[in-house]
Amino acid sequence: GAVVSQHPSRVICKSGTSVKIECRSLDFQATTMFWYRQFPKQSLMLMATSNEGSKATYEQGVEKDKFLINHASLTLSTLTVTSAHPEDSSFYICSARGRQGTGYTFGSGTRLTVV
Amino acid sequence: DAKTTQPPSMDCAEGRAANLPCNHSTISGNEYVYWYRQIHSQGPQYIIHGLKNNETNEMASLIITEDRKSSTLILPHATLRDTAVYYCIVTLLMDSWGKFQFGAGTQVVVTP
Repeated sequence: GAVVSQHPSRVICKSGTSVKIECRSLDFQATTMFWYRQFPKQSLMLMATSNEGSKATYEQGVEKDKFLINHASLTLSTLTVTSAHPEDSSFYICSARGRQGTGYTFGSGTRLTVV
Repeated sequence: DAKTTQPPSMDCAEGRAANLPCNHSTISGNEYVYWYRQIHSQGPQYIIHGLKNNETNEMASLIITEDRKSSTLILPHATLRDTAVYYCIVTLLMDSWGKFQFGAGTQVVVTP
């Protein structure tokens, strides 16, 4: 079945630094990838949509200059949290959709803690 | 995408069937109903999806009403490992910009 690998699973960084999170589709080509953020005891909130070969589309209220998304290839998307602050601490999850449009597969998530 | 309404929580006894309702009264004709679940601190896991007909797989059954305004996810024999937040999502499948927007979901707790 379709597998999405997300790395790292946990990361702690200092305020002001940048953190990159990788999302890879292991056994299929992902034309579309999505990035979500989830705060404790809340639902997943869609941050942005990226299509291979084009710029990401950000949801309202999400700062595109702070959350840089790159869909470099059909199997890799990256989310870079720039100039991280403690309020950026959250659970970040990616998902990918293959060409067949058969559904969405989610990564296992990345727990980001900014200290 | 159509919005969904689910009860915030539900308890279920181990071994019994769990019936999770979802209302999606504004669903359009080409929107699918998807069900996912999220076990604590993990990514969402696909369960099942459907358009009009009832669907069944090794995990669950999906019953969609004839007017498509609501659906029910059935876990036939709940186990402790089924404790999770269950999300009902309505979205366009074939639209390249179809998004998954998560609602609050239903917290299901399976008790011994």
